[in-house]
Amino acid sequence: EADIYQTPRYLVIGTGKKITLECSQTMGHDKMYWYQQDPGMELHLIHYSYGVNSTEKGDLSSESTVSRIRTEHFPLTLESARPSHTSQYLCASSHRGGPYNEQFFGPGTRLTVL
Amino acid sequence: DAKTTQPNSMESNEEEPVHLPCNHSTISGTDYIHWYRQLPSQGPEYVIHGLTSNVNNRMASLAIAEDRKSSTLILHRATLRDAAVYYCILRDAGDAGGTSYGKLTFGQGTILTVHP
Repeated sequence: EADIYQTPRYLVIGTGKKITLECSQTMGHDKMYWYQQDPGMELHLIHYSYGVNSTEKGDLSSESTVSRIRTEHFPLTLESARPSHTSQYLCASSHRGGPYNEQFFGPGTRLTVL
Repeated sequence: DAKTTQPNSMESNEEEPVHLPCNHSTISGTDYIHWYRQLPSQGPEYVIHGLTSNVNNRMASLAIAEDRKSSTLILHRATLRDAAVYYCILRDAGDAGGTSYGKLTFGQGTILTVHP
């Protein structure tokens, strides 16, 4: 069973609020990822990190930002939430290197912005 | 990334085998074939991967065509808990040195429905 956690699982918030989605893993993985998934649609990579102090933007442009101050922690922040940010956000991690290394996913945070 | 093609949906009966196909005609010699699945209201989970030879693990088997242009995920006895979206993904071995960020490019996948 994967040791990767996301909080909150569900969040309903008003427009303009600042929010932070938490993601933590206890496997000591260097690589961490954030994906965004609209209902019934594909997952799209929005951020990734090679390790501490490393953050990069993914394939899908996102107004969110991320930080990686500790290996185990990779939070995602939206400074001013909008209804267009309504989606599911999935965090994942993997051991550094190798195309065969599996990614472990958290349960996701389902965000609704009113 | 090389593209994969999967049927939009498939149905099965409980305790029967399920064969989920995936076409990847533009696969390169260094691409690994990965399968993930996403159960309802959960994040994706790894199922199996392979390069050239058929592979078995506790969850499933992966049969890879000799020309590697297609593969089939086999669930030997489907259960209701196997109802999920199954994704076939190619990962470049160029990630071996850790220089790539090892992303997974998800397509639409196959929605598997299992009937009691």
